[in-house]
Amino acid sequence: AQKVTQAQTEISVVEKEDVTLDCVYETRDTTYYLFWYKQPPSGELVFLIRRNSFDEQNEISGRYSWNFQKSTSSFNFTITASQVVDSAVYFCALSESNNNDMRFGAGTRLTVKP
Amino acid sequence: DVKVTQSSRYLVKRTGEKVFLECVQDMDHENMFWYRQDPGLGLRLIYFSYDVKMKEKGDIPEGYSVSREKKERFSLILESASTNQTSMYLCASRLGGLTYEQYFGPGTRLTVT
Repeated sequence: AQKVTQAQTEISVVEKEDVTLDCVYETRDTTYYLFWYKQPPSGELVFLIRRNSFDEQNEISGRYSWNFQKSTSSFNFTITASQVVDSAVYFCALSESNNNDMRFGAGTRLTVKP
Repeated sequence: DVKVTQSSRYLVKRTGEKVFLECVQDMDHENMFWYRQDPGLGLRLIYFSYDVKMKEKGDIPEGYSVSREKKERFSLILESASTNQTSMYLCASRLGGLTYEQYFGPGTRLTVT
């Protein structure tokens, strides 16, 4: 069975603070893919990043960075110098090689205050 | 850009009514999905379709059915709406295969009274 845990239900920070959103996954598969999505107040989920299980290289995209560690089954997401526009619900998700669907975590609601 | 559209943003229906939620994508994607989103539960898969006229049950198919007669359109049907089906419904599409990301529509917030 596959499972994604986002233990932080809600996080509140002040603008310009750095914030890390945690994601822990469970899978028995050796080939799998991890994703992060952002859901702003408008409601539409927006794809942020995809990572496959064979690529543990961390990735940085502007103020966003992702830390993938297979040893701890984690795929954490850090926003540097947060902005009010970063306020959203963020979802981590997992796809396994022998499944057609995608398993989502419960989401973390991030509020960035001015 | 991929565009996934859903027929309604907000819908209010009465218990026992038959409800149709429509989803259309414009990028010739093979796979399409229906999720419901509830607070604290994240997204749960109701049904998905990997090709025209093909469908597979997700985690919570009870009380729902789907139809995919054309590649671009995937419909979710509530045969007899109940109050516990009040939720946000999200449609998504994917090019094909688990390596690709899913693209989501704006969602339909359904209230069953």
